[in-house]
Amino acid sequence: SQQGEEDPQALSIQEGENATMNCSYKTSINNLQWYRQNSGRGLVHLILIRSNEREKHSGRLRVTLDTSKKSSSLLITASRAADTASYFCAGRETSGSRLTFGEGTQLTVNP
Amino acid sequence: SAVISQKPSRDICQRGTSLTIQCQVDSQVTMMFWYRQQPGQSLTLIATANQGSEATYESGFVIDKFPISRPNLTFSTLTVSNMSPEDSSIYLCSAVTSGGETQYFGPGTRLLVL
Repeated sequence: SQQGEEDPQALSIQEGENATMNCSYKTSINNLQWYRQNSGRGLVHLILIRSNEREKHSGRLRVTLDTSKKSSSLLITASRAADTASYFCAGRETSGSRLTFGEGTQLTVNP
Repeated sequence: SAVISQKPSRDICQRGTSLTIQCQVDSQVTMMFWYRQQPGQSLTLIATANQGSEATYESGFVIDKFPISRPNLTFSTLTVSNMSPEDSSIYLCSAVTSGGETQYFGPGTRLLVL
């Protein structure tokens, strides 16, 4: 079963704008990981945030984690057309160590 | 980090046949996993591939349909048996490196069953 939900399911923005994607999860996690997938290809790991962290940055990416609300957000600043892809969050469950995925957000950045 | 390769990258198969997908990691890993991604959907965990013992399957997946081997720390195979069109999906191998937390993914195997 899926870990949780992501919203929005689809997001369309103009180049240069910021994109925010949200993820909610159901079970207790050790960490939460964000991935990008271009058009049905393999997953590219973007960033990992541990359960004892609240915010993390990597280049144009900013991830937040709120364990009390079981939610996370991914912010991409100054978006580019090349950021067009599907974005998935995935939580590492504390029991069993499996990594389970959210539904994903399809981001389209228009030039 | 880890680089994961899969073979084949894609295949078209006839109903009732079987296909074995190979996964090779370029470094030693602790855990290896197999996922399925049906068209337009997210990833679903099929099983955890355990070295030297039977894989651990998730609810809805069984060994007879998806036999998995993991003879050493860096190699695993997934077989999709007695295929039907419903098995048309992308199958992805995944691994966590020794001492690490990040889970890496292979490029996937696109399977079309006619």
